[in-house]
Amino acid sequence: EPEVTQTPSHQVTQMGQEVILRCVPISNHLYFYWYRQILGQKVEFLVSFYNNEISEKSEIFDDQFSVERPDGSNFTLKIRSTKLEDSAMYFCASSNRGPSTNEKLFFGSGTQLSVL
Amino acid sequence: GEDVEQSLFLSVREGDSSVINCTYTDSSSTYLYWYKQEPGAGLQLLTYIFSNMDMKQDQRLTVLLNKKDKHLSLRIADTQTGDSAIYFCAESPRGGAGNMLTFGGGTRLMVKP
Repeated sequence: EPEVTQTPSHQVTQMGQEVILRCVPISNHLYFYWYRQILGQKVEFLVSFYNNEISEKSEIFDDQFSVERPDGSNFTLKIRSTKLEDSAMYFCASSNRGPSTNEKLFFGSGTQLSVL
Repeated sequence: GEDVEQSLFLSVREGDSSVINCTYTDSSSTYLYWYKQEPGAGLQLLTYIFSNMDMKQDQRLTVLLNKKDKHLSLRIADTQTGDSAIYFCAESPRGGAGNMLTFGGGTRLMVKP
């Protein structure tokens, strides 16, 4: 079965540093998402992306966050100046059709971000 | 805002049935989902139910929805050790695959041989 791949599996960074989390969605998928899970808390929606622009974003997704699809395969999440509270597991997801179709959402295995 | 709650932990013996429960607050929920997360892996969609349904069965999985009480359950028949994982309930108020899903905290299922 095709899968969403995320790299690295674990990223350690210093507070204030920029970090880029990378994802390769499934090749024919058009809709892309980032979610995160802080340790001991629930999985939270961050942002959805379609047709090279953000479709929706949550309150968490402030000016420190940005997403990009720099080429035909990668989908990245950038945090400009990391804070301690950005430490979390970040999940990338993709789907072939849009939200109104209840298309199956495929998740990657996550990148554990640790901000020191 | 929307909230989804689950119990933290469930332990069953191999061969027994498991029932994982979930409650939600958003009465406009259109789709409700069950995801499974195995160690080191991503979130795998197991099944979903549309809000106008009461029950959905898919092989060993049975989803029951009580819309009046905003209660969702996942029953796993003949639970196997390979079913040990964290199970997440999630809801989508506007329907669809991933448009701002609200997740519960997850129920860790442990299956004892």
